[in-house]
Amino acid sequence: KAGVTQTPRYLIKTRGQQVTLSCSPISGHRSVSWYQQTPGQGLQFLFEYFSETQRNKGNFPGRFSGRQFSNSRSEMNVSTLELGDSALYLCASRMTGGRNEQFFGPGTRLTVL
Amino acid sequence: KQEVTQIPAALSVPEGENLVLNCSFTDSAIYNLQWFRQDPGKGLTSLLLIQSSQREQTSGRLNASLDKSSGRSTLYIAASQPGDSATYLCALSSGDMRFGAGTRLTVKP
Repeated sequence: KAGVTQTPRYLIKTRGQQVTLSCSPISGHRSVSWYQQTPGQGLQFLFEYFSETQRNKGNFPGRFSGRQFSNSRSEMNVSTLELGDSALYLCASRMTGGRNEQFFGPGTRLTVL
Repeated sequence: KQEVTQIPAALSVPEGENLVLNCSFTDSAIYNLQWFRQDPGKGLTSLLLIQSSQREQTSGRLNASLDKSSGRSTLYIAASQPGDSATYLCALSSGDMRFGAGTRLTVKP
C-alpha cells in the first residue's frame, strides 16, 4: 500500500507570493491533517479535512487555507507569504474510527526569501 | 488547552543501553497517544499507538506505556543501536493532535 505522498518536496518563494501544496493520503483514508514544523515552534496543527469538510482548525491566520477533493486528496494554500512561513509542512492521513492512527508524508520544505 | 512536555530534550547513550523517554500531558481526555520517530528533514514515522483504554503497546525493542491518571507516557527502547538515533515525538489526539517538542536521541557506536 502506498504511503502518504506530498508534492512538491521543496519550494522556494519570495515574500508576498502565494503557494499551494498537495497531499495524497493512503488509499481508503478519508481524513487529512496538515501541520507546520519550525525549529522555534515545533509541530503545530493547521487543520483537518474529512469528506471535503474542514473538521478542525488550529490557531493560524486566514492566509492559511485548505481544501479536500472527493478522492480525499488535499491541498493547502498560503497567501501573501511571510518570512516566518518558512517551515516543513507535513500532511497526515488516517482512517477514521478504530485506532485513528496517523500516518505522515515526507513533507514539503518551504523557504520564503 | 493540552500541553505536552517531553523530557529530556536530548539524550546521548552508548550502543546497547536500555533507555526511557518521557512524555507528560495536562489533559487526560484523549483518544489516543502516538509515539513517532523523525529523522532530520524527514517526515514522521509512527512507532506505537496506545488507545485511551490501553496501558501499553509493544513492537520489537520498543515498549510504550500510558498512565492517564498521572498524565504520563514512557517509551522504552531496549538494547539501543546507532540506527535508533533520531528525534522521538509523542503526540496526543483529542480532536486535533498536540505534539511534544521531542527528545533528540544519539546512540554512539
